[in-house]
Amino acid sequence: RKEVEQDPGPFNVPEGATVAFNCTYSNSASQSFFWYRQDCRKEPKLLMSVYSSGNEDGRFTAQLNRASQYISLLIRDSKLSDSATYLCVVIISGSARQLTFGSGTQLTVLP
Amino acid sequence: NAGVTQTPKFQVLKTGQSMTLQCAQDMNHEYMSWYRQDPGMGLRLIHYSVGAGITDQGEVPNGYNVSRSTTEDFPLRLLSAAPSQTSVYFCASTAGTLLDNEQFFGPGTRLTVL
Repeated sequence: RKEVEQDPGPFNVPEGATVAFNCTYSNSASQSFFWYRQDCRKEPKLLMSVYSSGNEDGRFTAQLNRASQYISLLIRDSKLSDSATYLCVVIISGSARQLTFGSGTQLTVLP
Repeated sequence: NAGVTQTPKFQVLKTGQSMTLQCAQDMNHEYMSWYRQDPGMGLRLIHYSVGAGITDQGEVPNGYNVSRSTTEDFPLRLLSAAPSQTSVYFCASTAGTLLDNEQFFGPGTRLTVL
């Protein structure tokens, strides 16, 4: 079993739709969680951190469920510009060796 | 600030050739990492450094060397290129601990080994 798993998609949704992605992790000692966004043939960029209490940034909401060991990303009112691959990152400790990227979920928002 | 820069953007090598991928950052970050990204897989850590003079291996270090003589630069050297090293390579830097800080990535180097 992979340490971090994501549904690869692709998710094809119309503009204005709400879409949600999950990311499951296997190590219960994981401490920090992030969502990164990667546009086609570009570098990953931080979208948002994920906090235990859940957090929101505009149309984006991230949640953490420690009991079930997953994090989620909800995008409301999807825009064409949201089309990208979304990578979850799970960190067990401060060492780079204990940081794992998911393989990403591809989202295409259709006009 | 230029952030994290990488050169070259594209490179084609023949099997057995060696080369160095350059990475530099101007944010005075102590933590730097090299990743490779292959289709259908997440970014995998090759080597990392927690400061000048300190490097360590990541998940997939074989066939690669690194050095960190300055805070700014973290070059990745391919010793004898193999087709399995065809990939996109990203360098990243972080201020402080990875636990609660953003990783800033360079634009990547697309390497093809024939």
